[in-house]
Amino acid sequence: AQSVSQHNHHVILSEAASLELGCNYSYGGTVNLFWYVQYPGQHLQLLLKYFSGDPLVKGIKGFEAEFIKSKFSFNLRKPSVQWSDTAEYFCAVNGYRGTYKYIFGTGTRLKVLA
Amino acid sequence: DGGITQSPKYLFRKEGQNVTLSCEQNLNHDAMYWYRQDPGQGLRLIYYSQIVNDFQKGDIAEGYSVSREKKESFPLTVTSAQKNPTAFYLCASSNANQPQHFGDGTRLSIL
Repeated sequence: AQSVSQHNHHVILSEAASLELGCNYSYGGTVNLFWYVQYPGQHLQLLLKYFSGDPLVKGIKGFEAEFIKSKFSFNLRKPSVQWSDTAEYFCAVNGYRGTYKYIFGTGTRLKVLA
Repeated sequence: DGGITQSPKYLFRKEGQNVTLSCEQNLNHDAMYWYRQDPGQGLRLIYYSQIVNDFQKGDIAEGYSVSREKKESFPLTVTSAQKNPTAFYLCASSNANQPQHFGDGTRLSIL
């Protein structure tokens, strides 16, 4: 069965610090990978996605993620966080070949101190 | 603008009562989903539907029911059999292998 693990449940950083949030999935086949963000009081929105090709994908607001197939990982990074990045971040996996089911991680709450 | 509309935003239920949460989308997406979001547990799938008049149980379907009579609509009923219904409920839609779009959610509380 597919599963997604986000090992960091709470992260606190100062502004300008670098960010890396871990995401590991378990699924033997080809997958599509996503990171979503939920700002306080707002709905979930897509940060970035990986379907195929270059394993380093760039998303909105300066975020990027790297797909490492051998490690079943899709870690999210940002070189320099801002106070406005305070939010909850979710990694998600969708199996390939027309499947509709998505599996989400438990989320990471990021707090950025001004 | 295309999007997903969930209503109501806040809902209160008495013990033993069934309540229905509404979800409508105008994105022409094939699939629709219901998730439950609890602190520290992420999003857990309740039900999803890939096509009209068909739906599948997710990981925590017990105590919930759905229908998909129209492509645009996927209402969720929280029945009295759901022992711990207090939560934030999210509706989403997508096409196959595409990112999901989410509504603003409904917060359900028990009186």
